[in-house]
Amino acid sequence: GDSVTQMEGPVTLSEEAFLTINCTYTATGYPSLFWYVQYPGEGLQLLLKATKADDKGSNKGFEATYRKETTSFHLEKGSVQVSDSAVYFCALSDNYNQGGKLIFGQGTELSVKP
Amino acid sequence: GAGVSQTPSNKVTEKGKYVELRCDPISGHTALYWYRQSLGQGPEFLIYFQGTGAADDSGLPNDRFFAVRPEGSVSTLKIQRTERGDSAVYLCASSLTVGELFFGEGSRLTVL
Repeated sequence: GDSVTQMEGPVTLSEEAFLTINCTYTATGYPSLFWYVQYPGEGLQLLLKATKADDKGSNKGFEATYRKETTSFHLEKGSVQVSDSAVYFCALSDNYNQGGKLIFGQGTELSVKP
Repeated sequence: GAGVSQTPSNKVTEKGKYVELRCDPISGHTALYWYRQSLGQGPEFLIYFQGTGAADDSGLPNDRFFAVRPEGSVSTLKIQRTERGDSAVYLCASSLTVGELFFGEGSRLTVL
């Protein structure tokens, strides 16, 4: 079945460091890919998305590019801030099956120190 | 507020009891999802409604779990004969666009 695998956390960085969180996926169809973020004490919220190969999603300085050849959707940010500390979840939606559900990875906790 | 509302936020119950968790989605959102999240894990899909009907209930772990959405808005997740392994945060989300889910803050269930 479809699945998402993320790099294990926690990831600890200093402010202004470069961030990469790896995400790879397995899917039978042509999925859309997402990054969701969960800030402390808050619900999950959509960070960015890409719906087809080579699309780049971006939001709040974060970017991720849909790479079909490597089945990856790595999250990057050039300069992290303390306020970026959160848990990040990679997810896919399998459009082929016309289902609405998202399949999530296990999450990667990011801690940014001043 | 205008977000997804879940009640109760916290529920402690004893093994074997019956539990209901309620979700009030964003007005006008036709799709509604239930997920379960254990500590240190990603959300695990349970069931998805499109309108009043369950479009996909493949994630319900067994027949002790049941969900309804009788009028296409509020949904209730029902768990019978609770077990300690049911302890988790139960998340509800609603959506208008495939993949773009708006989540509530969850209902934390603890089964003693």
